[in-house]
Amino acid sequence: GIQVEQSPPDLILQEGANSTLRCNFSDSVNNLQWFHQNPWGQLINLFYIPSGTKQNGRLSATTVATERYSLLYISSSQTTDSGVYFCAVELRSNDYKLSFGAGTTVTVRA
Amino acid sequence: DADVTQTPRNRITKTGKRIMLECSQTKGHDRMYWYRQDPGLGLQLIYYSFDVKDINKGEISDGYSVSRQAQAKFSLSLESAIPNQTALYFCATRSSGEVGEQFFGPGTRLTVL
Repeated sequence: GIQVEQSPPDLILQEGANSTLRCNFSDSVNNLQWFHQNPWGQLINLFYIPSGTKQNGRLSATTVATERYSLLYISSSQTTDSGVYFCAVELRSNDYKLSFGAGTTVTVRA
Repeated sequence: DADVTQTPRNRITKTGKRIMLECSQTKGHDRMYWYRQDPGLGLQLIYYSFDVKDINKGEISDGYSVSRQAQAKFSLSLESAIPNQTALYFCATRSSGEVGEQFFGPGTRLTVL
């Protein structure tokens, strides 16, 4: 099956810092999503981004489908950005099922 | 109101008990999914359904069963719960077609003693 690798596994930031999270995948995908899992366990949709670049406030994401990677940028981090960030990809050939990476755990310190 | 709801939100049960987790959605989506998340790990797919008459096994279906009672409702059952089924369970929905984003419910935290 498809491999989804996220890096780094853990990230500690000082409030106000910027960071980049990476997601590599091993096959051509038709959809890609980024999620934030908050400390209460809820999964929040951040981006639906099979290709191109999108921005939402202090967050932005870029997917380069031809090179099989996606990047999530966090700017001016805040303590509320803490949690786990997941990348998930969907393949037409895999019945449109989402395959998740292991996540990047982000801790933002005040 | 939330588009995807799950009940119960938390449940503690004993080994051998039967338990049902319920999911309802108001998004009008045809596709529904059940996932499991173990502590410190990503999500794994248990079952998925493309419509009321189409139910499919995911990666980790052993020990689980599902029922799609209507387009808007998808239930997950543990016939005889065991401790290693202790996990966070999520329901999700997606529209049909080539292009579609999955939306997740708030999760059910299940503990099997």
